[in-house]
Amino acid sequence: KAGVTQTPRYLIKTRGQQVTLSCSPISGHRSVSWYQQTPGQGLQFLFEYFSETQRNKGNFPGRFSGRQFSNSRSEMNVSTLELGDSALYLCASSGNQGRGKQETQYFGPGTRLLVL
Amino acid sequence: GNSVTQMEGPVTLSEEAFLTINCTYTATGYPSLFWYVQYPGEGLQLLLKATKADDKGSNKGFEATYRKETTSFHLEKGSVQVSDSAVYFCALSDPFSGGYNKLIFGAGTRLAVHP
Repeated sequence: KAGVTQTPRYLIKTRGQQVTLSCSPISGHRSVSWYQQTPGQGLQFLFEYFSETQRNKGNFPGRFSGRQFSNSRSEMNVSTLELGDSALYLCASSGNQGRGKQETQYFGPGTRLLVL
Repeated sequence: GNSVTQMEGPVTLSEEAFLTINCTYTATGYPSLFWYVQYPGEGLQLLLKATKADDKGSNKGFEATYRKETTSFHLEKGSVQVSDSAVYFCALSDPFSGGYNKLIFGAGTRLAVHP
């Protein structure tokens, strides 16, 4: 099975711009979660999508948004970029079907965003 | 709220040395516990997990036991190799207060193994 893929792998933007990152989960997985990794704050949960609905959300401002399509692919968008948004953005997929069972999250390689 | 604390690095060891990376947690419910590893320039890979108290997770020579009484999940390996050099993250998910797929991570511990 192909793993989680993320595009693009690297991105450079300037302050004030917006950016869209894409994540394709493992085939058959319906849950996609997004994380931000920075040297200062570490790994922080952004949000989770399941069956095209946001199921969980972390403590990030409204500039961070996401969506999920019917094929489970997900995108996250950051509007009005700030220097502090420079980070590695990771997505993870799992086959969790909401049946109350802990399943493994599989991570993609990440998209490294640099805001200048 | 939920949190994970792990020992600060870097941890520097010689090949074949014994490894311990400490991890303690705070959770309101009954969390599942994980160790993930991140190699340079890559995403996270699940190393091992434990979903209930006294469970032992193991993989590739690494082990960790879920200790509810000490709220700990320390990572151990009897004999490290140069290829184990990476950053190790302890994490939890708490379905009662965050959901199964909301992982709370520790700060990470960098391990460097020298020949």
